[in-house]
Amino acid sequence: LAKTTQPISMDSYEGQEVNITCSHNNIATNDYITWYQQFPSQGPRFIIQGYKTKVTNEVASLFIPADRKSSTLSLPRVSLSDTAVYYCLVGVQGNTPLVFGKGTRLSVIA
Amino acid sequence: GAVVSQHPSRVICKSGTSVKIECRSLDFQATTMFWYRQFPKKSLMLMATSNEGSKATYEQGVEKDKFLINHASLTLSTLTVTSAHPEDSSFYICSARSQGTDQPQHFGDGTRLSIL
Repeated sequence: LAKTTQPISMDSYEGQEVNITCSHNNIATNDYITWYQQFPSQGPRFIIQGYKTKVTNEVASLFIPADRKSSTLSLPRVSLSDTAVYYCLVGVQGNTPLVFGKGTRLSVIA
Repeated sequence: GAVVSQHPSRVICKSGTSVKIECRSLDFQATTMFWYRQFPKKSLMLMATSNEGSKATYEQGVEKDKFLINHASLTLSTLTVTSAHPEDSSFYICSARSQGTDQPQHFGDGTRLSIL
């Protein structure tokens, strides 16, 4: 399974756009890139998933360059409630489990 | 979207007690479910992969006789912590993935297990 590297922590003010970049140099051809958000004492919540280029949904955008060795999660206009740990994971779908790295602890301040 | 339900959300019990945690996929069938464990301020650690109708696959260092996994149907997997001790206290999280090569894993809300 491809290993991921992301910043341990980030701080942001409310209303700003936050970009969290994840490196996954050993990503395999069949791997998807998935991002999760986790609040204390809750299970991870799916945010967005992509394979290449750009994916956008109602909460975030995911940018993936052509070589797929990194990806950037973009959160527009964050609020205090976006304070959480964000995990970037890569892996093949099907019966292969996701292996979590350390994640990025995002702190949004007023 | 896909929903995974986990029960109970919190358990407090005495040392030596066995505790069962249920994980259900509510709106999809899951031939495979996964069990994770998380300590405070740490990331999720994969414990085992639960396969419907067959034995679970445990990660290295996870005692299969301590953490019994049963996946009796396509929507239910259970994790039983047998003869629990204080060091088993942790946050246990299950997840499942619906069929399809591009479907993400969805997670339950976790079970906080506290052994006194």
